[in-house]
Amino acid sequence: SYQLTQPPSVSVSPGQTASITCSGDKLGHIFASWYQQKPGQSPVMVIYQDSKRPSGIPERFSGSNSGNTATLTISETQAMDEADYYCQAWDSTTAVFGTGTKVTVL
Amino acid sequence: EVQLVESGGGLVQPGGSLRLSCAASGFALSNYWIHWVRQTPGKGLVWVSGNNYDGSRTSYADSVKGRLTISRDNAKNTLYLQMNSLRAEDTAVYYCARGVGYSEFDQWGQGALVTVSS
Repeated sequence: SYQLTQPPSVSVSPGQTASITCSGDKLGHIFASWYQQKPGQSPVMVIYQDSKRPSGIPERFSGSNSGNTATLTISETQAMDEADYYCQAWDSTTAVFGTGTKVTVL
Repeated sequence: EVQLVESGGGLVQPGGSLRLSCAASGFALSNYWIHWVRQTPGKGLVWVSGNNYDGSRTSYADSVKGRLTISRDNAKNTLYLQMNSLRAEDTAVYYCARGVGYSEFDQWGQGALVTVSS
């Protein structure tokens, strides 16, 4: 079955840039989306179709997808960005989520 | 305002059944795919099942095929998940999520907790 692999954790200082990778076979050939989930809350879409940002999501969130890796970048990271982040893509008719990355803002 | 509200969660014994509902408001269910995604406490997101605009196309994760059934009533703007032969490993928070074709999940409900235990 298709798998998407993310680093378990990423630490970043306030105001710095955090990059979260998502690796999967030929992932760049399909769309990737990213979701933010804070403790006790439902997931929120922050990036869709590789690099599009939904209304209401700050410009500091950006995405890219090429080769076998999709990347979520958070520029000028703020304390409120501390959360779990999941990538997601489709393998035929099955949706697959990444393993998840906990972003800690130190 | 677009909203998805799940209900029907609870405690059930192994081998038992439960039906979850997902009531949509602020948009017409008939215009979207709707999916169920679950999350074991402290773990990651796992897609369970999806259903297209009129319910004519459905897909399931291998782990739930034959035990969970997704359906919808567009007149009631409601999606359902019938869960049979439940196992301890089905214990999770179940979210319904609005899908945009085979792409992203742009709206999520608040989740319903299902606990399978004797």
